[in-house]
Amino acid sequence: SAVISQKPSRDICQRGTSLTIQCQVDSQVTMMFWYRQQPGQSLTLIATANQGSEATYESGFVIDKFPISRPNLTFSTLTVSNMSPEDSSIYLCSVGGEAGVYGYTFGSGTRLTVV
Amino acid sequence: QKEVEQNSGPLSVPEGAIASLNCTYSDRGSQSFFWYRQYSGKSPELIMSIYSNGDKEDGRFTAQLNKASQYVSLLIRDSQPSDSATYLCAVTRYTTSGTYKYIFGTGTRLKVLA
Repeated sequence: SAVISQKPSRDICQRGTSLTIQCQVDSQVTMMFWYRQQPGQSLTLIATANQGSEATYESGFVIDKFPISRPNLTFSTLTVSNMSPEDSSIYLCSVGGEAGVYGYTFGSGTRLTVV
Repeated sequence: QKEVEQNSGPLSVPEGAIASLNCTYSDRGSQSFFWYRQYSGKSPELIMSIYSNGDKEDGRFTAQLNKASQYVSLLIRDSQPSDSATYLCAVTRYTTSGTYKYIFGTGTRLKVLA
């Protein structure tokens, strides 16, 4: 299965600032997924990032708040913009799940605290 | 009703016992089902997938699927303290646009007591 390098692993940020999270995959993948996991909660899909096209955002998530880049088949970034304490969460990228058949591989996650 | 429901636990079992984790889902069209293990502070790790009714065994893990009753379960035999983690159930949901999404439950926290 793919190996994903995600960074930073954690960060403490001031409200109103932005943080960009990077994910590098060791193989080419068509789709990359960005999830958020708030304390004590399950995984919530933020958006799906396809190379060469705009990301597809889930209900409740907008591009202005969570802009995503996908410049090639092995790399993606998620930016959390104009942060507030409510954005404190773990952010995870994942790949896999081809055709809804196979499971995901997750990156190691980014633990974000907004103060 | 949540799309994927799990008892949050904690489920406490003694070392060597069988741990039984359950998950129900609401979408009858779901075709693929997964169990992930998540240690505290770590990302989820896929441990089992199941697609057909019945049982699927892999080492100490057995996944069970009953589509008529819309539940999927995970049995862990000979539970070890190292199995202590949160177990997430995930199912696929196909969208009207022809794509699919993975819907995760909130997870069951398992504690194996030495």
